[in-house]
Amino acid sequence: SQELEQSPQSLIVQEGKNLTINCTSSKTLYGLYWYKQKYGEGLIFLMMLQKGGEEKSHEKITAKLDEKKQQSSLHITASQPSHAGIYLCGADPYNNDMRFGAGTRLTVKP
Amino acid sequence: DAGVIQSPRHEVTEMGQEVTLRCKLISGHNSLFWYRQTMMRGLELLIYFNNNVPIDDSGMPEDRFSAKMPNASFSTLKIQPSEPRDSAVYFCASRRDRGIFGYTFGSGTRLTVV
Repeated sequence: SQELEQSPQSLIVQEGKNLTINCTSSKTLYGLYWYKQKYGEGLIFLMMLQKGGEEKSHEKITAKLDEKKQQSSLHITASQPSHAGIYLCGADPYNNDMRFGAGTRLTVKP
Repeated sequence: DAGVIQSPRHEVTEMGQEVTLRCKLISGHNSLFWYRQTMMRGLELLIYFNNNVPIDDSGMPEDRFSAKMPNASFSTLKIQPSEPRDSAVYFCASRRDRGIFGYTFGSGTRLTVV
C-alpha cells in the first residue's frame, strides 16, 4: 500500500514568516491532495497535483509535486494566524480510496 | 449545496451500547467514504461505497462495526457493542466519480465511549 510521510509533525512560526511542509510517498504519486483541518472540524480541500513538476497556488499557499512524483511540498508565504491548523496530504492511487499522511500541526504566533 | 452533513456532532455513550452515526451525501456524488481520526493513528479509511455498493471494508476494525448505504444520499455507521477504544472523531466524505476535485468532508462526529 502507499505510505505517506509528512514532515515536520508540528511547526510553530512567528506571524509573517514563510514555512514549508513536506509529504513523501513510498510509491509514485498519481494524484496528490492537500487538505487543511481546523480543530474540531472537517477537512477542507486546498489543491490537487497530478503532473510531475506541477505547481499550484491559492492565495499565499503554493504546492509543488516533484518531477519524480514521489514528493510534494506546501509552502506558505507571510504566514498569518488564519493559516493555523493541521495540514494533511492525501493520495488516491486507484482513484477510489484516499489515504492520508499523519498531518502537520501548524501554529502561527501573532 | 448543503455539503456533507453528519449527525450527531457529538455522542457520549456507555460501553456496550449501540451507536449509530449518520451521513448525508452531497446530491450527485456517488462515492461515500467513512474515516476515523485519532491522535495515535491519524486518519484511517474504514470503508467506502460506490453507487451504494460497499467496495472495500478492509479498514473496518472488527465485526462490531458495520456500515450501510440504503440509498444514494444516506449512509450509517454502526458500532455494536461500543468500547472505550472506539472513541474518536468519525468523518464521512463524498465525491463525484473521478477525484480531480478531491473529497468533500463532513464536520465529523466526535464519539466518546465511557
